[in-house]
Amino acid sequence: NAGVTQTPKFQVLKTGQSMTLQCAQDMNHEYMSWYRQDPGMGLRLIHYSVGAGITDQGEVPNGYNVSRSTTEDFPLRLLSAAPSQTSVYFCASSFQGAAYNEQFFGPGTRLTVL
Amino acid sequence: AQTVTQSQPEMSVQEAETVTLSCTYDTSESDYYLFWYKQPPSRQMILVIRQEAYKQQNATENRFSVNFQKAAKSFSLKISDSQLGDAAMYFCAPVGQGAQKLVFGQGTRLTINP
Repeated sequence: NAGVTQTPKFQVLKTGQSMTLQCAQDMNHEYMSWYRQDPGMGLRLIHYSVGAGITDQGEVPNGYNVSRSTTEDFPLRLLSAAPSQTSVYFCASSFQGAAYNEQFFGPGTRLTVL
Repeated sequence: AQTVTQSQPEMSVQEAETVTLSCTYDTSESDYYLFWYKQPPSRQMILVIRQEAYKQQNATENRFSVNFQKAAKSFSLKISDSQLGDAAMYFCAPVGQGAQKLVFGQGTRLTINP
C-alpha cells in the first residue's frame, strides 16, 4: 500500500493564481481531511469529508474548496492564492467516517505564495 | 468546542533519560479519545499513542506511556529511555466520539541531547 500520497511536494505561486493540491489514499478510508501547519500554530483543519460526496468545513476554510467524488481522492483547491496561504499542507485519512480513529498523514506539500 | 494547551513549547532531555510532555484540554464531550502524534524532521506525522477516555488504565506503547487525569483534563506523555530518534515535535489532540474534527495543540519541540 502506498498509504496517503500528496502532490506536489513543493509549489511556488504568485498572488492570485489558482491551483489544486492532490491527495489520494489506497486504504479505502472513508474519512479524509486537509490541514495547514504554520510555525507555532500546530495543525489547523481546513476541510474534511466523511465519505464520497460529503464534505464540510473545518476551522480555517476561507479561500479553499474541496470535493470528494471518489473514496480515494480528496483534492484541495486554492481559488486565488494569497501570501497568507503560505504554509505546509497535510492530507490525512482514517478508517470509517470518524475523526477518532488513527489518522494516516501524507508527507505534506510546502506552498509558498509570493 | 474543544481547546488544547501544550504549555511547553520546547523541551530537552539527555539520551536515556525520561521526559514528560504535558497537555491539558477542555471538552464538553462525555466520550472522547486522546492522541499524541509525533512529527520528526522528515515532517511525517505519526501516531504515538491513543487513550480512550472511558478507560481508567493508562495507555502504554513500549517506551511511551500516558498519565491520563480525566477530572483534571490532563493527558501527559512520558517517554522513557529517550533515544535520538525521539527528537521531534509532539502534538496532543483530543476528539469526541461524535466529533468529526480533530483539534491539535500547538506542539512541543523535543530535543534529545547525546
